[in-house]
Amino acid sequence: DADVTQTPRNRITKTGKRIMLECSQTKGHDRMYWYRQDPGLGLRLIYYSFDVKDINKGEISDGYSVSRQAQAKFSLSLESAIPNQTALYFCATSDLTQGDTGELFFGEGSRLTVL
Amino acid sequence: AQSVTQLDSQVPVFEEAPVELRCNYSSSVSVYLFWYVQYPNQGLQLLLKYLSGSTLVKGINGFEAEFNKSQTSFHLRKPSVHISDTAEYFCAVSDMDSSYKLIFGSGTRLLVRP
Repeated sequence: DADVTQTPRNRITKTGKRIMLECSQTKGHDRMYWYRQDPGLGLRLIYYSFDVKDINKGEISDGYSVSRQAQAKFSLSLESAIPNQTALYFCATSDLTQGDTGELFFGEGSRLTVL
Repeated sequence: AQSVTQLDSQVPVFEEAPVELRCNYSSSVSVYLFWYVQYPNQGLQLLLKYLSGSTLVKGINGFEAEFNKSQTSFHLRKPSVHISDTAEYFCAVSDMDSSYKLIFGSGTRLLVRP
């Protein structure tokens, strides 16, 4: 089983619908992240959380919200989806026990299409 | 501001030929550098990383990269590529100024032809 699990893996929805992408991890890491991947733009940080009580905006947080339900769970919501939110979304974790380097461990991605 | 530049969006190469994927970064402080690989329909996995010490870093699948502080580069190399190396490669950097959050380049698609 994957250490970082994302659900759903694929989702097609319509403009204006609310969508939630879920992420759970068994690595025991405190830090969790949501990234968005678009062709030619690499990965851009949407939100990150350094612990359950800590939520921070990334560079492209507009139109998104997150919830850190537990150390192991971090959900990303699109309150009212729009077509330019069509992208591949990645959840990732990082670990401080080996020093704070920023190294990330990724889930397999959630492909979202907004029609 | 911190940034990562991968100048080549796509690199076509024949099987068994050498390859170099270029990465330059901008940062005013000490950095950690990473290369990730994304195979088709998969997530990203770590290929190699530079944290400190030797500037030549060896990774999985025969890849290596060299940290050059004066040129602010971290180019990825492989002496002989295989068809299975076809993937997208991302360079990333973290430093104290970014609270050690990774900043990614735009990616380079390596296309290995028979």
